[in-house]
Parts: sequence; C-alpha cells; structure tokens
Amino acid sequence: QKEVEQDPGPLSVPEGAIVSLNCTYSNSAFQYFMWYRQYSRKGPELLMYTYSSGNKEDGRFTAQVDKSSKYISLFIRDSQPSDSATYLCAMSLWNFNKFYFGSGTKLNVKP
Amino acid sequence: GAVVSQHPSWVICKSGTSVKIECRSLDFQATTMFWYRQFPKQSLMLMATSNEGSKATYEQGVEKDKFLINHASLTLSTLTVTSAHPEDSSFYICSATRPGTGYGETQYFGPGTRLLVL
Repeated sequence: QKEVEQDPGPLSVPEGAIVSLNCTYSNSAFQYFMWYRQYSRKGPELLMYTYSSGNKEDGRFTAQVDKSSKYISLFIRDSQPSDSATYLCAMSLWNFNKFYFGSGTKLNVKP
Repeated sequence: GAVVSQHPSWVICKSGTSVKIECRSLDFQATTMFWYRQFPKQSLMLMATSNEGSKATYEQGVEKDKFLINHASLTLSTLTVTSAHPEDSSFYICSATRPGTGYGETQYFGPGTRLLVL
C-alpha cells in the first residue's frame, strides 16, 4: 500500500465549476499537508499549506484536512482554464525530513 | 515567495559523459535541499536529501556513485549525473526548505532540468 493515494484523473470540468481534488493517506503521524500545482514541463508550485486538521482558505482555493479519516481535499472555486495543471498533494512528519507525494491529478478546465 | 532556480533548464549530452545540474535558493538560505526525478505523467521520486556541509542521504535504489550530490553552501546544491546513459534521461527537480518562516519547513521547488542522453 502506498503511503499517499491520489486519483490520477484526468479530471475535466467546464470553466466556472467547483473542483474537488482529494488524497488519502495511511500514516497517522503525518502532520503537515501541502498542495502543489505543476504545469507541464515545470517544477511544482506551492499552493496551500496546512498543519493538522481543519480548513484553510486562500482566494479561490480551500484546503481541508480530516486527520480522523486520513483524508485531505483541495477545492477550487470558479475554476479557470489557467487552473489546468497537475495537482500534487504532499505530506510530511513533524521533522520535514521527507515529503510523501501523491501521484498527482491532472485537471483540465474547458473554456 | 521563496525562489529556487536550476541551471541548466535543459541539456542534451552524449552517452558516457557527465552532466552537472545546479540548484540555488535565491532569496533565502536553505538548510536542506532535495533532489527528485520525474518520469512523464508520473509523480516525483525522491532521489536524495542534501544538507549543507554533510554527505547526502540517498533513497533506496539510487546509486550514490552515479548521482553525485554536493551541497557546498546554504544556497547551492549540485547533482552530477556521471557517465550518463539514455535511461538516465528524465526531468530532474530540486527543492529547498526555508526555515524560520513560521509555517514550518515546507519545500519550494526549482523549475526543473530536462536531461536527454543520446
């Protein structure tokens, strides 16, 4: 079993839709949870960062962490064609000495 | 946000040659840098963790003698692919952790280096 599971997609939505991206994990010791966006042939860009359970909002993006279910989500409101990219979830233990990445979900927002 | 650069952005080389890739943190001092490899349509595969002034810690299955990592300063780490072969062709990405931000030491990624070995 992988430490972090993420549906690879692709996920195709119309412009303006609400997008939900999810990851599950197996290690209950993970404490930090990140979402990265990666455009084709580019390095990942940090989108959201949360610590422990709860919600965090930043503009059109909301990150949710449910540690009891070992489940994290990223919501994108009013999705735009420019949001089309691969979204990677990542998580780490308290010491940050290693990150565990999901396989990435490819999102396509159609104009 | 924190800026991490990589050089070169792409390189083509002949089989048997060595290639050096640089990773720099431009506006902060990075205590730790990571090197990843990414195959098309796949996620990041951690190759090694590099701390300034000490030997890199390699992941299982990664050849230390083939992928030489030097973390000479708090802003520079280099990955040298020695005697490169076509199967080493890949997208290599570095990242750096930025301490003292108040949000923990999350990773900031460079733009990646695409290596093609002929």
